[in-house]
Amino acid sequence: DARVTQTPRDKVTEMGQEVTMRCQPILGHNTVFWYRQTMMQGLELLAYFRNRAPLDDSGMPKDRFSAEMPDATLATLKIQPSEPRDSAVYFCASRGPNTEAFFGQGTRLTVV
Amino acid sequence: AQSVAQPEDQVNVAEGNPLTVKCTYSVSGNPYLFWYVQYPNRGLQFLLKYITGDNLVKGSYGFEAEFNKSQTSFHLKKPSALVSDSALYFCAVRLGDNFNKFYFGSGTKLNVKP
Repeated sequence: DARVTQTPRDKVTEMGQEVTMRCQPILGHNTVFWYRQTMMQGLELLAYFRNRAPLDDSGMPKDRFSAEMPDATLATLKIQPSEPRDSAVYFCASRGPNTEAFFGQGTRLTVV
Repeated sequence: AQSVAQPEDQVNVAEGNPLTVKCTYSVSGNPYLFWYVQYPNRGLQFLLKYITGDNLVKGSYGFEAEFNKSQTSFHLKKPSALVSDSALYFCAVRLGDNFNKFYFGSGTKLNVKP
């Protein structure tokens, strides 16, 4: 049963610390998305990649956030330094050439 | 600008009654329309999509949605609600197969009471 895998599921960290979230897309999917979900803003698209190349990261705060795909099986979202306002659930999703998007279970980030 | 609107934050319905969750969209082209469901502490799960063809689309768990081009709507429906349908529902639009960006609505919380 193919699925998008995200780690960690939960992360609590102190303000100022670096946070790295990881995503393993479904094998064969060539598009990977990072979304952030909060009560206030709903689902926000942070960035997405196609064939490992960043296509759009306009939704991401550039000064502290970075997203990469070092290879086709791994996408990372890094926050450095983290702030309390970054607390949210971060979802990774992947999509193949002729499929809808499949979402991971999310990483719940709490910055204290 | 492309956008998706879900006008109701919450929908309450009694078990066994029909349910409708509303969605309207604004796009500059032919939309691909989707419904996703999110259960507590889970990621979004695909329910159904409209690409082309029949305006009535059937999806998972007995859900269906009707594409109405003149009203730019894509409402989600189910003839008989179950308590287990209680969840957060998101409408989304994508502009054709070559465009990857999904635009999501704000979500509608469906509460089905026994």
